[in-house]
Amino acid sequence: GNSVTQMEGPVTLSEEAFLTINCTYTATGYPSLFWYVQYPGEGLQLLLKATKADDKGSNKGFEATYRKETTSFHLEKGSVQVSDSAVYFCALSDFQGAQKLVFGQGTRLTINP
Amino acid sequence: DTGVSQNPRHKITKRGQNVTFRCDPISEHNRLYWYRQTLGQGPEFLTYFQNEAQLEKSRLLSDRFSAERPKGSFSTLEIQRTEQGDSAMYLCASSPRRGEAFFGQGTRLTVV
Repeated sequence: GNSVTQMEGPVTLSEEAFLTINCTYTATGYPSLFWYVQYPGEGLQLLLKATKADDKGSNKGFEATYRKETTSFHLEKGSVQVSDSAVYFCALSDFQGAQKLVFGQGTRLTINP
Repeated sequence: DTGVSQNPRHKITKRGQNVTFRCDPISEHNRLYWYRQTLGQGPEFLTYFQNEAQLEKSRLLSDRFSAERPKGSFSTLEIQRTEQGDSAMYLCASSPRRGEAFFGQGTRLTVV
């Protein structure tokens, strides 16, 4: 079945550091790929998405590129801020049927000033 | 606020009791999902509705769990004879026909 593997956390960085959170997936067909973020005390929010190979999703300075050859969707940001502290989830969904999301285990990110 | 609303936000119950959670999706969304999230893990899919029809259920959904979406509007998730292993965050999400899923803030269940 479909699955998503994220780099284990927690990750702690200083403000303005470069961020990479690795995500790889296993899927049949051509899934859509997502990064969701969960800020403290809030619900899951979509951060960015990509629906086909080589697409780049971007939002709030974060980027991720759908790499079919390496089955990866790594999240990157050039200069993190304290406000980026949250739990980040990589996920995939099938294009057909229920389009349910399959999530990775999440990566807790803490940014220190 | 036109987001996904879940009630209650927190529920503490004794083992063996029944509990029911409610989800009010974004009104124009015809797809509704329930997920369960345990500490340190990502959400896991439980069940999916398209309008009022329950079209898919996870094997995680034991026969103690039942979900409904009457008239294709709000949804309820009931757990009968709760067990300590049912303690988790229960998340509801809705989406339009093709598009991103919007999540509610969840109902945290604690079974004591």
